[in-house]
Amino acid sequence: DAGVIQSPRHEVTEMGQEVTLRCKPISGHDYLFWYRQTMMRGLELLIYFNNNVPIDDSGMPEDRFSAKMPNASFSTLKIQPSEPRDSAVYFCASSEPSGHQNTEAFFGQGTRLTVV
Amino acid sequence: EDQVTQSPEALRLQEGESSSLNCSYTVSGLRGLFWYRQDPGKGPEFLFTLYSAGEEKEKERLKATLTKKESFLHITAPKPEDSATYLCAAHTGGFKTIFGAGTRLFVKA
Repeated sequence: DAGVIQSPRHEVTEMGQEVTLRCKPISGHDYLFWYRQTMMRGLELLIYFNNNVPIDDSGMPEDRFSAKMPNASFSTLKIQPSEPRDSAVYFCASSEPSGHQNTEAFFGQGTRLTVV
Repeated sequence: EDQVTQSPEALRLQEGESSSLNCSYTVSGLRGLFWYRQDPGKGPEFLFTLYSAGEEKEKERLKATLTKKESFLHITAPKPEDSATYLCAAHTGGFKTIFGAGTRLFVKA
């Protein structure tokens, strides 16, 4: 497996524009996570899905952020409208729980978003 | 409030100089303590999972330990290729994960 695949790797957009980040998890993984990483706040969990269903979106900062998982092999994170403070690296990760204990998350390479 | 704190923020070592990184956590219902390594421009890469106090795991020059309040990542005789940011993360109920800010490790030849 090629691992978790994210696109694009880099995105530069103007304030007010819509931005869509994409993720393909590892085949067979039931859980998908979206994270945001900044120097100030570190790595923050935004939302996670289990079997394509959003389970906890309490980390989504504002209504401008939305995430979907239409099928087991694809997820999107959308920001509309984008603002300069949304500039960060966005990571997607997937994992497969083992019984009652968590297994590790496998991270993609990330999308570096710059909003000017 | 659930919290994970790592120290030091940065650590500079000479090659071969052993040391330890600390991860203190205050979470309700810890379901696993994870260590990751992150290289510049890449996503975190899994190293270890610890589930209960007293547990230890080793991989090459790294050893992770866990108590009821903290975890340590011991690095024995580090090499320059061990330079990276090391992140710890606490899994709590509902598979939620709280990451620490990380320790940036620099190993000089």
